[in-house]
Amino acid sequence: AQSVTQLGSHVSVSEGALVLLRCNYSSSVPPYLFWYVQYPNQGLQLLLKYTSAATLVKGINGFEAEFKKSETSFHLTKPSAHMSDAAEYFCAVSEYTGGFKTIFGAGTRLFVKA
Amino acid sequence: DADVTQTPRNRITKTGKRIMLECSQTKGHDRMYWYRQDPGLGLRLIYYSFDVKDINKGEISDGYSVSRQAQAKFSLSLESAIPNQTALYFCATSVADTQYFGPGTRLTVL
Repeated sequence: AQSVTQLGSHVSVSEGALVLLRCNYSSSVPPYLFWYVQYPNQGLQLLLKYTSAATLVKGINGFEAEFKKSETSFHLTKPSAHMSDAAEYFCAVSEYTGGFKTIFGAGTRLFVKA
Repeated sequence: DADVTQTPRNRITKTGKRIMLECSQTKGHDRMYWYRQDPGLGLRLIYYSFDVKDINKGEISDGYSVSRQAQAKFSLSLESAIPNQTALYFCATSVADTQYFGPGTRLTVL
């Protein structure tokens, strides 16, 4: 069965600092991995996804994530945080079983300090 | 205009009342989903539908029912609302592996 663990329910960084949000997954088959972002009072929107191509995936707004099979990780990074990055971030894993079934992590809220 | 819309956006109701949350999409996707979001628990799947004639239970379907009236419409009902159904509810559609979410409905059951 697939599962997702996000380490840290809250992360706080200073503007301009590195953003690192951690995600570990388990999956019985090669996984599809995603990061979604939720801004206040909005639904989730796709930030980036890994689907077995390049292990370093680039997304919107300068975010990227690296798939590491040996560590079963898919951590999200951004070199320099901006105030507008403050949001909740969800890691998700999908398996194809006649249709895609997606499991979401509990979420990590990112705070950016001026 | 938003591709996935949800009505109402906010609802306060009392224990025992019947509530319907509606979702409409203009993306032309066959697959639609209902999730609930609770703090610290992420999103949990309530029901999903791969086409108009296909309805499937998710991990937390007890106390909920759904109706897929058309490709574009997928409604979630709480037949007799209870306080622990207070949550943020999201509708989503998908094509292949990517999901597209509505803005959410904040439901409070008193």
